[in-house]
Amino acid sequence: AQSVTQPDIHITVSEGASLELRCNYSYGATPYLFWYVQSPGQGLQLLLKYFSGDTLVQGIKGFEAEFKRSQSSFNLRKPSVHWSDAAEYFCAVVPITSGTYKYIFGTGTRLKVLA
Amino acid sequence: DAGVTQSPTHLIKTRGQQVTLRCSPISGHKSVSWYQQVLGQGPQFIFQYYEKEERGRGNFPDRFSARQFPNYSSELNVNALLLGDSALYLCASSLVADTQYFGPGTRLTVL
Repeated sequence: AQSVTQPDIHITVSEGASLELRCNYSYGATPYLFWYVQSPGQGLQLLLKYFSGDTLVQGIKGFEAEFKRSQSSFNLRKPSVHWSDAAEYFCAVVPITSGTYKYIFGTGTRLKVLA
Repeated sequence: DAGVTQSPTHLIKTRGQQVTLRCSPISGHKSVSWYQQVLGQGPQFIFQYYEKEERGRGNFPDRFSARQFPNYSSELNVNALLLGDSALYLCASSLVADTQYFGPGTRLTVL
């Protein structure tokens, strides 16, 4: 069965420090890949997505992610974190099957930013 | 442009009751998906509709049902509520269902 693993439940970084959030998936082929951010009590906002092509994708708010097929990973990065980045981050994969685009989400990584 | 809207924002029900949640997609989007997010977990897929037809169903009991209307809005119904149904219910819309845009959610509390 397809699955998504976000190994880090909580991450704390200082403002201005770099950030990397890990995401690994289990799927036979290359799925569609997404990162979403969720602020407390809010819905999910799309940060970036990967369907094919260049394995380094740029998103909103200065985020980027790199797809590594050999490692089945899609890690999210930001060179300098701002206090407003504190939120929960979800990686999602969509197995490419006919008819249904069923998102499979990881359990999320909660980011805390220290001033 | 208006994003995905959901109503109501919050809802409190008691066990055994029935609830209907509503979703209006982004203008022009023909696909709507529903997800359940229990506190501390990632969203779990419930249903997907495209052009008023069910395209997918997650691993949820038959107490959960949904439909999509000609204007592409959607309703999620849950019968015989259980305490475990307490969650944030998220609706997402998309043009073809590949890139989904989420609404703010409906917080359901079952007492």
